[in-house]
Amino acid sequence: AQTVTQSQPEMSVQEAETVTLSCTYDTSENNYYLFWYKQPPSRQMILVIRQEAYKQQNATENRFSVNFQKAAKSFSLKISDSQLGDTAMYFCAFMKHDMRFGAGTRLTVKP
Amino acid sequence: DAGVIQSPRHEVTEMGQEVTLRCKPISGHDYLFWYRQTMMRGLELLIYFNNNVPIDDSGMPEDRFSAKMPNASFSTLKIQPSEPRDSAVYFCASSMGQRNQPQHFGDGTRLSIL
Repeated sequence: AQTVTQSQPEMSVQEAETVTLSCTYDTSENNYYLFWYKQPPSRQMILVIRQEAYKQQNATENRFSVNFQKAAKSFSLKISDSQLGDTAMYFCAFMKHDMRFGAGTRLTVKP
Repeated sequence: DAGVIQSPRHEVTEMGQEVTLRCKPISGHDYLFWYRQTMMRGLELLIYFNNNVPIDDSGMPEDRFSAKMPNASFSTLKIQPSEPRDSAVYFCASSMGQRNQPQHFGDGTRLSIL
């Protein structure tokens, strides 16, 4: 079974600075998909970024980028120029046959 | 475009009562997922449908839980009888095409069983 581990229950960052959220996963699969979802206090689940395992190039979406290390089974999320609106729970997710989520990291952006 | 619509947003009821959660997926999406989110267990996949057919219900906790998808635009998750340990946020999500496509989530239903 695939497991997803987010080792940082809580993190904080100053506005405009950069923060990296960690995610590791365990799988014997070669082809799969990885996601980061954001859940603000409003409780919505918002897709932040997506990475296909067969692509070596790291995905980027504006201020959000990932560091995908397939051999290490690591999929960290970097948020650049942090904004107050980035305050949320962030969930890492692995998808092959179904979607598995990590426990989440609560990120607080401080003014 | 309208996203995934869930109702109700909040539900408070007494144990033993029947609870029905509703979901309208994004038009054109052929996969629908039901998740439960709790502090203890995080996000858990309960069941998912493809073209209105249940594909995997192995995450459904017990027989008190049932889910239906009578048509492409509507799904229900029912708990009967409800228990306090069912209190959680229940999310519905939908996606289009292959299962590797991103899932779009509804706003969730916060369920409290007293």
